[in-house]
Amino acid sequence: EVQLVESGGGLVQPGGSLRLSCAASGFTFSSYVMHWVRQAPGKGLEYVSAISSNGYTTYYANSVKGRFTISRDNSKNTLDLQMGSLRAEDMAVYYCARDQREMATTLRPYYFDYWGQGTLVTVSS
Amino acid sequence: QSALTQPASVSGSPGQSITISCTGTSSDVGGYNYVSWYQQHPGKAPKLMIYEVSNRPSGVSNRFSGSKSGNTASLTISGLQAEDEADYYCSSYTSSSSFYVFGTGTKVTVL
Repeated sequence: EVQLVESGGGLVQPGGSLRLSCAASGFTFSSYVMHWVRQAPGKGLEYVSAISSNGYTTYYANSVKGRFTISRDNSKNTLDLQMGSLRAEDMAVYYCARDQREMATTLRPYYFDYWGQGTLVTVSS
Repeated sequence: QSALTQPASVSGSPGQSITISCTGTSSDVGGYNYVSWYQQHPGKAPKLMIYEVSNRPSGVSNRFSGSKSGNTASLTISGLQAEDEADYYCSSYTSSSSFYVFGTGTKVTVL
């Protein structure tokens, strides 16, 4: 059974940093592009970031570029999102999601077949 | 990033059918057969309901169906049930600089 479990969310002050993690199991993690999607309270889904299966290629939405860093450890089946210079507008539930394409050669997704349960990031002083 | 346009809310009585629209452009919905739909209950993660316009993942009820015409995709829920009350989001592959687009979301209410 495919499982994605996020952790690391919490309360952080504006300008602060936080590192989110997503533990994957039930599939060959190293074969899949992975993504982060967020959802502000009461709002819709917003695409955040992607990383290639080997970790060499990444993508960031303009809203987080230069402040967030996506990474993965295929030996530990984990996906991370290092968030810095956090702003009020970054407050959201952050979901990791699996790209449905195994061995994809491009980052741009078609859709996501599995999602984690999400972890809440609260940015407030 | 530009979002796909969905109605804010749709409602129906148990047993009825409802349809949710999702309007994009020729760079996303109209240009590719990679429209997907997600169901999200309050406090829960999104769940894939439809992929590639009209395909259902294993385990999803056949009461859910998808279609597309031009730049507009649609999700139809037939035989509406109380458990269908949730938010629904469409999404699409896009060739634009947006990289990936989600719909604005539709709240489905079962009367």
